[in-house]
Amino acid sequence: ELKVEQNPLFLSMQEGKNYTIYCNYSTTSDRLYWYRQDPGKSLESLFVLLSNGAVKQEGRLMASLDTKARLSTLHITAAVHDLSATYFCAVDGFKAAGNKLTFGGGTRVLVKP
Amino acid sequence: EPEVTQTPSHQVTQMGQEVILRCVPISNHLYFYWYRQILGQKVEFLVSFYNNEISEKSEIFDDQFSVERPDGSNFTLKIRSTKLEDSAMYFCASSETYQGNSPLHFGNGTRLTVT
Repeated sequence: ELKVEQNPLFLSMQEGKNYTIYCNYSTTSDRLYWYRQDPGKSLESLFVLLSNGAVKQEGRLMASLDTKARLSTLHITAAVHDLSATYFCAVDGFKAAGNKLTFGGGTRVLVKP
Repeated sequence: EPEVTQTPSHQVTQMGQEVILRCVPISNHLYFYWYRQILGQKVEFLVSFYNNEISEKSEIFDDQFSVERPDGSNFTLKIRSTKLEDSAMYFCASSETYQGNSPLHFGNGTRLTVT
C-alpha cells in the first residue's frame, strides 16, 4: 500500500525567509503532484513532477523530485503572507486507467509579518 | 479557464437518508473522480470512472456508494444510507487523460453534514 508522508505538518514562517516542505512516499512512482488548498476551498494544482530530477518553479515556489530517494521537496523562497495555505503532495498509484492519487497529510503554512 | 463545478456546496442530511452529490466535469475531460476530506484530515481517494464504468475504487467506496454519469455532462455520487462518519467534504475531479502530465482538476467541493 502506497503511503505518503509530509513534514512538517505545520510551518510558521516569517516573511522574507526561506523554507522547505518534504514529501516522502513508500513505493516506486514517477508521478508526483503538489496542490495548494486555502481554508474551505478546493485543491489548486501547483506542480506536476514526472521524472527523476524534475524541477519546476513558479514565483516563490520550487518543487523537485528524487524518485530514487522517493522524496519531493517544495521550497518557498522569501515567504510572503499570501502563501499562507495548506500544501499537499500527492503520488499517483499509476494504474492503467485513471489516476489514483494518494495524498500526504498536508502542511499548514502560516506566514507572519 | 474551464472548471469543475459541484452542487450543492453544502448538504445537511439525517442519518439513514440518501444523498446525491452532483458534479459537472470539464467538458473535454474523459476521467472522473471522487475524493473526500474529513475535516482536518488528508484527502482520500474514493473512486475513478472512465468510459462509463468504475476503473478503480477504494475500500471506503462500499456498497452504500455508487457513481453514475447519467448524461453527457453530469457525474454523480450517491450515498444510499448515510452514516455520521460520512460527514466530510466531497471533491469531484476530472482529468483529460490518465497520463501523468494531465493533472486532476478539482471542484470546490460539497460539504456533507450527517446529523
